[in-house]
Amino acid sequence: AQSVTQPDIHITVSEGASLELRCNYSYGATPYLFWYVQSPGQGLQLLLKYFSGDTLVQGIKGFEAEFKRSQSSFNLRKPSVHWSDAAEYFCAVGAGNFNKFYFGSGTKLNVKP
Amino acid sequence: EAQVTQNPRYLITVTGKKLTVTCSQNMNHEYMSWYRQDPGLGLRQIYYSMNVEVTDKGDVPEGYKVSRKEKRNFPLILESPSPNQTSLYFCASSLSAGIYGYTFGSGTRLTVV
Repeated sequence: AQSVTQPDIHITVSEGASLELRCNYSYGATPYLFWYVQSPGQGLQLLLKYFSGDTLVQGIKGFEAEFKRSQSSFNLRKPSVHWSDAAEYFCAVGAGNFNKFYFGSGTKLNVKP
Repeated sequence: EAQVTQNPRYLITVTGKKLTVTCSQNMNHEYMSWYRQDPGLGLRQIYYSMNVEVTDKGDVPEGYKVSRKEKRNFPLILESPSPNQTSLYFCASSLSAGIYGYTFGSGTRLTVV
């Protein structure tokens, strides 16, 4: 069965520190992978997506993610976190033409001054 | 501006009083979906639609109805709301969710008392 696992429920980092949010997926075919961000009181905004090709994907707001097929992972990274990055982050897998879409349970990021 | 518009943003209602949450998209997307978001449970799909007059149940359809009479609109209907339907609701649309992911509305916070 398809699934998405975000093992960290909460993460706290200091402003200016680097960030890595973990995402593991289970899917039988080549996945379409996404990261979304939800700021407090807001809807979900797409940060980046991976379809194929280069396994390092650049997104908005200085985020990037790396697809590692051997580890079934799609971790989100940012070199230097800003206070405005405090939000909840969701990893998701799309099942291509089957039009199915699976969310992870989310990781809440807290940024310390 | 390409967007998904939900109304209302906030709604407090009483048990059993029928309500409709509207959703409209201006991107000519074929796929539309409703999610609810609850603490600790993440995002769960209620219903989705692949085109006009084509709808199907998601993971948690009980107590909800939808209709898709026009491509741009996908209202969510609660015929007899109950307190366990208190939640944050999101409408989303896509050309093909499994490939492109969803564009989300800003959310509707519903409280049923």
